[in-house]
Amino acid sequence: ETGVTQTPRHLVMGMTNKKSLKCEQHLGHNAMYWYKQSAKKPLELMFVYSLEERVENNSVPSRFSPECPNSSHLFLHLHTLQPEDSALYLCASSPGTSGYLEQFFGPGTRLTVL
Amino acid sequence: AQTVTQSQPEMSVQEAETVTLSCTYDTSENNYYLFWYKQPPSRQMILVIRQEAYKQQNATENRFSVNFQKAAKSFSLKISDSQLGDTAMYFCAFIMYGGSQGNLIFGKGTKLSVKP
Repeated sequence: ETGVTQTPRHLVMGMTNKKSLKCEQHLGHNAMYWYKQSAKKPLELMFVYSLEERVENNSVPSRFSPECPNSSHLFLHLHTLQPEDSALYLCASSPGTSGYLEQFFGPGTRLTVL
Repeated sequence: AQTVTQSQPEMSVQEAETVTLSCTYDTSENNYYLFWYKQPPSRQMILVIRQEAYKQQNATENRFSVNFQKAAKSFSLKISDSQLGDTAMYFCAFIMYGGSQGNLIFGKGTKLSVKP
């Protein structure tokens, strides 16, 4: 595996379910990100981790819970989601969080909440 | 707050022709970076080109170039000799210089279709 991988690629869940999204980066990067991509809206940054420490949390509802056990893995734990949470969730990584650094994106998880 | 605006939701271009995608942004900062990212139908987003605000020279990457007008807060992307593989969503993005914790601010995107 190379680059940034995400599993699962598609997920359908009910509002009472608990599920997790997984992201893995094989680039040796120190920073990882979760974004939400909804139709006709800009990408929204949800969480930023730098060296496994959360450094940014953009007012995301508590039903989304991130976890970064090491610099290569990032999880997004989901519980009691709402239908409006249906979106494409993208993971990204970069060497650090300095502004000029390119972010490398995964293919995304398409989430549907029924 | 910083914002990024892409005023063209969709565009199309004939193969081998040139197309320009528009982007404007709003910030009171003087030092920042601007990016164009491409998201093909397979969805993996990749960086196309980046520009440092303190550099007057426009960035160029092969067939992709930008027209950076700092005073006008404009950052357009020109694609020359368009190819079918250029079909994708294109996102303009902004980030402040230093201490920004990777907080990229994206526009809504422009869907570009390259027609044979």
